[in-house]
Amino acid sequence: NAGVTQTPKFRVLKTGQSMTLLCAQDMNHEYMYWYRQDPGMGLRLIHYSVGEGTTAKGEVPDGYNVSRLKKQNFLLGLESAAPSQTSVYFCASSSTTGNEKLFFGSGTQLSVL
Amino acid sequence: SQKIEQNSEALNIQEGKTATLTCNYTNYSPAYLQWYRQDPGRGPVFLLLIRENEKEKRKERLKVTFDTTLKQSLFHITASQPADSATYLCALGEGYNKLIFGAGTRLAVHP
Repeated sequence: NAGVTQTPKFRVLKTGQSMTLLCAQDMNHEYMYWYRQDPGMGLRLIHYSVGEGTTAKGEVPDGYNVSRLKKQNFLLGLESAAPSQTSVYFCASSSTTGNEKLFFGSGTQLSVL
Repeated sequence: SQKIEQNSEALNIQEGKTATLTCNYTNYSPAYLQWYRQDPGRGPVFLLLIRENEKEKRKERLKVTFDTTLKQSLFHITASQPADSATYLCALGEGYNKLIFGAGTRLAVHP
């Protein structure tokens, strides 16, 4: 059982480049989330989805877009990367609104030069 | 302003002792609180959930307390082992899809 899988694991971008991070879960979870984790700070929610075809903004959504075309996949896009987006990105899923536990992927280390 | 505070300094303890980690918060009214473990280079892993009407929760060597008056949760690991060394995150749940994480405390258990 793979759980939550994120690709890629590492990526280096130049300022202004675009990229998409892919998250896939095989637990049939309704809810999926994208977080970023920076040193000395807690995980911060970027965007989330409560079901296929729906997305919503989290705490720090600026500069990111997301799509949930299939229930098992949640994509995070950076249209024009900035150095401030250098971070570790985590995808998570849960079976209900968050009263239940979150299952996290192993993360993507992104550096924007 | 809203804050979640976990000790930023690492907690170093001897194997076999009880580790106690603290999570304090201000200007939140969480309906529940969760604790996660995070190893270097890995995603967080859920450990325990405690709701606002619960004082204490236990799971094997782990115990969590939740004091909504003090606005504090304590996370205990009894009979600690070197394998317990990791960063522990607390997360407050205020409601629908709103889970707010602390920065975490690193625990180092020495043989």
